[in-house]
Amino acid sequence: KQEVTQIPAALSVPEGENLVLNCSFTDSAIYNLQWFRQDPGKGLTSLLLIQSSQREQTSGRLNASLDKSSGRSTLYIAASQPGDSATYLCAVPISSGSARQLTFGSGTQLTVLP
Amino acid sequence: NAGVTQTPKFQVLKTGQSMTLQCAQDMNHEYMSWYRQDPGMGLRLIHYSVGAGITDQGEVPNGYNVSRSTTEDFPLRLLSAAPSQTSVYFCASTRDRGSGNTIYFGEGSWLTVV
Repeated sequence: KQEVTQIPAALSVPEGENLVLNCSFTDSAIYNLQWFRQDPGKGLTSLLLIQSSQREQTSGRLNASLDKSSGRSTLYIAASQPGDSATYLCAVPISSGSARQLTFGSGTQLTVLP
Repeated sequence: NAGVTQTPKFQVLKTGQSMTLQCAQDMNHEYMSWYRQDPGMGLRLIHYSVGAGITDQGEVPNGYNVSRSTTEDFPLRLLSAAPSQTSVYFCASTRDRGSGNTIYFGEGSWLTVV
Protein backbone atom coordinates (compact mmCIF):
# COMPACT_ATOMS: atom_id res chain seq x y z
CA LYS A 1 0.00 0.00 0.00
CA GLN A 2 1.32 3.41 -0.94
CA GLU A 3 2.11 5.69 1.97
CA VAL A 4 3.05 9.35 1.70
CA THR A 5 4.83 11.34 4.38
CA GLN A 6 5.42 15.06 4.58
CA ILE A 7 7.92 16.61 6.94
CA PRO A 8 7.76 19.04 8.62
CA ALA A 9 4.09 19.28 9.55
CA ALA A 10 4.45 23.01 10.02
CA LEU A 11 6.99 25.61 8.98
CA SER A 12 7.31 29.31 9.72
CA VAL A 13 9.75 31.51 7.80
CA PRO A 14 10.38 35.23 7.36
CA GLU A 15 9.36 36.85 4.10
CA GLY A 16 11.94 36.61 1.34
CA GLU A 17 13.44 33.34 2.47
CA ASN A 18 13.86 30.40 0.11
CA LEU A 19 12.42 27.18 1.48
CA VAL A 20 12.03 23.49 0.72
CA LEU A 21 9.10 21.23 1.53
CA ASN A 22 9.64 17.49 1.57
CA CYS A 23 7.51 14.57 0.46
CA SER A 24 8.40 10.88 0.59
CA PHE A 25 6.51 7.85 -0.72
CA THR A 26 6.95 4.13 -0.19
CA ASP A 27 6.12 2.64 -3.61
CA SER A 28 8.33 4.02 -6.38
CA ALA A 29 6.14 2.62 -9.18
CA ILE A 30 4.21 5.84 -9.68
CA TYR A 31 2.75 7.51 -12.77
CA ASN A 32 3.29 10.98 -11.42
CA LEU A 33 3.47 13.14 -8.31
CA GLN A 34 1.43 16.25 -7.71
CA TRP A 35 1.80 19.17 -5.37
CA PHE A 36 -1.30 21.01 -4.18
CA ARG A 37 -1.97 24.14 -2.19
CA GLN A 38 -4.87 24.40 0.26
CA ASP A 39 -5.99 27.67 1.79
CA PRO A 40 -8.04 27.62 5.01
CA GLY A 41 -11.67 26.73 4.34
CA LYS A 42 -10.98 26.09 0.68
CA GLY A 43 -10.42 23.22 -1.69
CA LEU A 44 -7.12 22.13 -3.16
CA THR A 45 -5.43 23.87 -6.06
CA SER A 46 -3.01 21.93 -8.23
CA LEU A 47 0.42 23.61 -8.34
CA LEU A 48 2.68 21.24 -10.20
CA LEU A 49 2.44 17.78 -11.69
CA ILE A 50 5.62 15.80 -12.38
CA GLN A 51 5.37 12.81 -14.66
CA SER A 52 7.32 9.72 -13.68
CA SER A 53 9.72 10.29 -16.59
CA GLN A 54 10.54 13.82 -15.45
CA ARG A 55 13.01 15.02 -12.83
CA GLU A 56 11.50 18.44 -12.16
CA GLN A 57 8.83 20.95 -13.03
CA THR A 58 8.84 24.71 -12.62
CA SER A 59 6.07 27.28 -12.34
CA GLY A 60 7.06 30.81 -11.44
CA ARG A 61 8.77 30.77 -8.05
CA LEU A 62 7.94 27.10 -7.53
CA ASN A 63 10.17 24.20 -8.50
CA ALA A 64 9.28 20.59 -7.79
CA SER A 65 11.73 17.73 -8.13
CA LEU A 66 11.17 14.00 -8.24
CA ASP A 67 13.55 11.17 -7.40
CA LYS A 68 11.60 7.95 -7.90
CA SER A 69 14.44 5.67 -6.89
CA SER A 70 14.67 7.19 -3.44
CA GLY A 71 10.93 7.81 -3.13
CA ARG A 72 11.29 11.54 -2.60
CA SER A 73 10.03 14.83 -3.95
CA THR A 74 10.77 18.38 -2.90
CA LEU A 75 8.90 21.61 -3.50
CA TYR A 76 11.21 24.62 -3.58
CA ILE A 77 9.66 28.04 -3.07
CA ALA A 78 11.89 30.98 -3.93
CA ALA A 79 11.65 34.40 -2.32
CA SER A 80 8.67 33.47 -0.14
CA GLN A 81 5.82 35.95 0.35
CA PRO A 82 3.05 36.19 2.97
CA GLY A 83 0.60 35.18 0.23
CA ASP A 84 2.38 31.81 0.06
CA SER A 85 1.02 30.98 3.52
CA ALA A 86 -1.11 27.85 3.10
CA THR A 87 -0.97 24.10 3.54
CA TYR A 88 0.96 22.26 0.85
CA LEU A 89 0.12 18.65 0.07
CA CYS A 90 1.77 16.13 -2.19
CA ALA A 91 -0.05 13.19 -3.72
CA VAL A 92 0.81 10.08 -5.70
CA PRO A 93 -1.36 7.37 -7.24
CA ILE A 94 -2.66 4.84 -4.74
CA SER A 95 -1.31 1.93 -6.77
CA SER A 96 0.06 1.17 -10.18
CA GLY A 97 -3.48 0.38 -11.34
CA SER A 98 -4.76 3.92 -11.70
CA ALA A 99 -3.15 7.27 -12.24
CA ARG A 100 -6.11 9.16 -10.86
CA GLN A 101 -6.72 7.58 -7.46
CA LEU A 102 -4.46 9.56 -5.21
CA THR A 103 -2.80 8.99 -1.88
CA PHE A 104 -2.12 12.26 -0.09
CA GLY A 105 0.40 13.24 2.51
CA SER A 106 -0.93 15.02 5.58
CA GLY A 107 0.55 18.30 4.41
CA THR A 108 2.98 20.99 5.54
CA GLN A 109 1.39 24.13 6.96
CA LEU A 110 3.52 27.06 5.81
CA THR A 111 3.43 30.49 7.42
CA VAL A 112 5.42 33.30 5.82
CA LEU A 113 5.87 36.17 8.25
CA PRO A 114 5.91 39.74 6.92
CA ASN B 1 -16.88 28.43 -15.79
CA ALA B 2 -17.89 27.24 -12.31
CA GLY B 3 -15.55 24.21 -12.15
CA VAL B 4 -16.50 21.79 -9.37
CA THR B 5 -19.41 22.85 -7.19
CA GLN B 6 -20.27 21.20 -3.87
CA THR B 7 -23.34 21.69 -1.73
CA PRO B 8 -24.00 22.13 1.11
CA LYS B 9 -20.96 23.95 2.49
CA PHE B 10 -21.85 23.13 6.10
CA GLN B 11 -24.15 20.51 7.58
CA VAL B 12 -24.91 19.17 11.05
CA LEU B 13 -26.51 15.75 11.27
CA LYS B 14 -27.76 13.63 14.10
CA THR B 15 -26.48 10.07 14.43
CA GLY B 16 -28.51 7.76 12.23
CA GLN B 17 -29.73 10.41 9.83
CA SER B 18 -29.04 10.13 6.12
CA MET B 19 -28.10 12.86 3.70
CA THR B 20 -26.61 13.50 0.29
CA LEU B 21 -23.65 15.70 -0.52
CA GLN B 22 -24.00 17.09 -4.01
CA CYS B 23 -21.17 17.51 -6.50
CA ALA B 24 -21.42 18.91 -10.01
CA GLN B 25 -18.80 19.80 -12.61
CA ASP B 26 -19.28 21.69 -15.84
CA MET B 27 -16.05 20.70 -17.59
CA ASN B 28 -17.33 17.48 -19.18
CA HIS B 29 -14.85 15.46 -17.14
CA GLU B 30 -15.06 11.68 -17.20
CA TYR B 31 -13.40 11.02 -13.87
CA MET B 32 -14.89 12.15 -10.56
CA SER B 33 -14.06 11.21 -7.01
CA TRP B 34 -14.89 11.88 -3.37
CA TYR B 35 -12.31 12.31 -0.61
CA ARG B 36 -12.58 12.97 3.08
CA GLN B 37 -10.03 15.03 4.98
CA ASP B 38 -9.40 14.49 8.66
CA PRO B 39 -6.89 16.35 10.84
CA GLY B 40 -3.38 15.00 10.46
CA MET B 41 -4.42 12.33 7.97
CA GLY B 42 -4.46 14.01 4.58
CA LEU B 43 -7.21 13.16 2.11
CA ARG B 44 -8.52 9.61 1.72
CA LEU B 45 -10.42 8.35 -1.29
CA ILE B 46 -14.01 7.23 -0.59
CA HIS B 47 -15.47 6.40 -4.01
CA TYR B 48 -14.70 7.26 -7.59
CA SER B 49 -16.28 7.09 -11.04
CA VAL B 50 -14.65 6.75 -14.45
CA GLY B 51 -17.79 7.73 -16.34
CA ALA B 52 -21.57 7.81 -16.24
CA GLY B 53 -22.93 4.56 -14.87
CA ILE B 54 -19.56 3.36 -13.54
CA THR B 55 -18.48 3.68 -9.91
CA ASP B 56 -16.02 1.91 -7.65
CA GLN B 57 -14.78 1.92 -4.09
CA GLY B 58 -11.76 3.75 -2.78
CA GLU B 59 -9.85 3.34 0.48
CA VAL B 60 -12.66 4.16 2.93
CA PRO B 61 -16.04 3.34 1.29
CA ASN B 62 -17.94 1.95 4.27
CA GLY B 63 -21.02 3.96 5.21
CA TYR B 64 -21.15 5.80 1.88
CA ASN B 65 -22.94 5.23 -1.39
CA VAL B 66 -22.53 6.88 -4.79
CA SER B 67 -24.12 6.86 -8.20
CA ARG B 68 -23.26 8.51 -11.50
CA SER B 69 -26.33 8.89 -13.69
CA THR B 70 -24.91 11.83 -15.66
CA THR B 71 -21.43 13.02 -16.57
CA GLU B 72 -21.95 16.22 -14.59
CA ASP B 73 -23.17 14.94 -11.22
CA PHE B 74 -21.64 12.63 -8.62
CA PRO B 75 -23.59 12.69 -5.34
CA LEU B 76 -22.29 11.08 -2.15
CA ARG B 77 -24.86 9.55 0.18
CA LEU B 78 -24.38 8.92 3.87
CA LEU B 79 -26.69 6.04 4.65
CA SER B 80 -26.82 6.28 8.46
CA ALA B 81 -24.55 9.00 9.78
CA ALA B 82 -22.07 8.20 12.55
CA PRO B 83 -19.82 10.54 14.57
CA SER B 84 -16.82 8.94 12.82
CA GLN B 85 -18.07 10.50 9.60
CA THR B 86 -17.50 13.99 10.94
CA SER B 87 -15.06 15.34 8.40
CA VAL B 88 -14.50 17.66 5.48
CA TYR B 89 -15.55 16.13 2.18
CA PHE B 90 -14.04 17.09 -1.16
CA CYS B 91 -15.26 16.24 -4.61
CA ALA B 92 -12.74 16.24 -7.46
CA SER B 93 -12.82 15.79 -11.20
CA THR B 94 -10.35 15.34 -14.01
CA ARG B 95 -10.69 14.93 -17.74
CA ASP B 96 -9.93 11.22 -17.86
CA ARG B 97 -7.60 8.62 -16.39
CA GLY B 98 -4.57 10.03 -18.16
CA SER B 99 -1.63 10.68 -15.92
CA GLY B 100 -0.99 14.19 -17.15
CA ASN B 101 -4.34 15.79 -16.42
CA THR B 102 -4.94 18.46 -13.83
CA ILE B 103 -7.32 17.48 -11.06
CA TYR B 104 -9.86 20.06 -9.91
CA PHE B 105 -11.32 20.15 -6.42
CA GLY B 106 -14.50 21.64 -5.04
CA GLU B 107 -14.32 23.90 -2.00
CA GLY B 108 -15.42 21.24 0.41
CA SER B 109 -18.40 20.30 2.56
CA TRP B 110 -17.98 20.47 6.34
CA LEU B 111 -20.04 17.76 8.00
CA THR B 112 -20.56 17.34 11.73
CA VAL B 113 -22.40 14.30 13.09
CA VAL B 114 -23.59 14.64 16.68
